[in-house]
Amino acid sequence: DSGVTQTPKHLITATGQRVTLRCSPRSGDLSVYWYQQSLDQGLQFLIQYYNGEERAKGNILERFSAQQFPDLHSELNLSSLELGDSALYFCASSRGRYQETQYFGPGTRLLVL
Amino acid sequence: GEDVEQSLFLSVREGDSSVINCTYTDSSSTYLYWYKQEPGAGLQLLTYIFSNMDMKQDQRLTVLLNKKDKHLSLRIADTQTGDSAIYFCAERVNNAGNMLTFGGGTRLMVKP
Repeated sequence: DSGVTQTPKHLITATGQRVTLRCSPRSGDLSVYWYQQSLDQGLQFLIQYYNGEERAKGNILERFSAQQFPDLHSELNLSSLELGDSALYFCASSRGRYQETQYFGPGTRLLVL
Repeated sequence: GEDVEQSLFLSVREGDSSVINCTYTDSSSTYLYWYKQEPGAGLQLLTYIFSNMDMKQDQRLTVLLNKKDKHLSLRIADTQTGDSAIYFCAERVNNAGNMLTFGGGTRLMVKP
């Protein structure tokens, strides 16, 4: 158990809908990262937050957004969902901003029908 | 650019050593990681190595880094059936943030 929690574990929804994925980092960690794991794209970095502020952006679609709250938990919002958004979404956390080992949560499996 | 590559599949017999290989292209990588993913589970950090090191050993795991060839390997000694999983190597890219770039993963199958 990495100490990173994610909810829900599974999510099934329809195209065009909007969902919110939630992540709680390990105690004391200030950075949260979101990754998407799909069959065709592999594991891709989406976005990083550090202490409430966006720190780095990867291959995140404009339909997706994220935020980190004062209690350091983070939410990833996916809107106007398409079939291709079906994937495993991982959250990871680390102590600081740089050169820190990332610990991953169990993931949220999203299925868009 | 950033590109991390791994072979797709490796099959070994229980008790043998496994060697999983990885190549990367970003010479500014500072840290390289190995993660393990079991079916239906998240990514478990196995070990990592600083780019100024050549080797790191941690119990049954040995990581070798050849910076000249940008080649990273993970050796698992005395491989057990419980080691069957997908293994990902990842590099930490030396730019803004702390993002990891992952390889496609190597599926290790351990036969009894």
